[in-house]
Amino acid sequence: GAVVSQHPSRVICKSGTSVKIECRSLDFQATTMFWYRQFPKQSLMLMATSNEGSKATYEQGVEKDKFLINHASLTLSTLTVTSAHPEDSSFYICSAITPPVPQYFGPGTRLLVL
Amino acid sequence: AQSVTQLDSHVSVSEGTPVLLRCNYSSSYSPSLFWYVQHPNKGLQLLLKYTSAATLVKGINGFEAEFKKSETSFHLTKPSAHMSDAAEYFCVVRYAGGTSYGKLTFGQGTILTVHP
Repeated sequence: GAVVSQHPSRVICKSGTSVKIECRSLDFQATTMFWYRQFPKQSLMLMATSNEGSKATYEQGVEKDKFLINHASLTLSTLTVTSAHPEDSSFYICSAITPPVPQYFGPGTRLLVL
Repeated sequence: AQSVTQLDSHVSVSEGTPVLLRCNYSSSYSPSLFWYVQHPNKGLQLLLKYTSAATLVKGINGFEAEFKKSETSFHLTKPSAHMSDAAEYFCVVRYAGGTSYGKLTFGQGTILTVHP
């Protein structure tokens, strides 16, 4: 099946710094990519929908200036957590889709902000 | 609006016994429904999907689910549990309308424990 990769798989950073997470669709072109956040022992919550070449659409309660999303090509979307704080520590998961096939999920990136 | 409710946060079974993970959904449209599995420190893996074809859907690793519109349910079953089935399972509904194609709503997750 299709493969979606994320880099890095784990990152530890100091409070106040910015962290960039990459999501790549390796063997297909994704018209849409999604970013999810999963807190410990909780379900995945959609943060934003990213369409290639256009601005991301953020879910209610997600700060667009804090979570910058760039979808520059059909195979790459990036999520930048700006001025990260400990409460941003979470598991970030991306997925990629080209309708009508189901979404393929990346393996996730675990972010720890100290 | 759409939502999905997994009725059990934890299910514990013995190896070789049947598995039942319950899921109810609500959707304003004919839904597409999925079950995903997440093993510790691994990505989400699609088990099976329902997209308005046969109501009994067979997936990987012996899992299957039945779409029951009258009960708005999509329960996941397996006749005989294996130790390797221990993981967290998510029931998911996909919004099919407008510009939000592909937007998924996840259930709360059910952690399946399999005892020897």
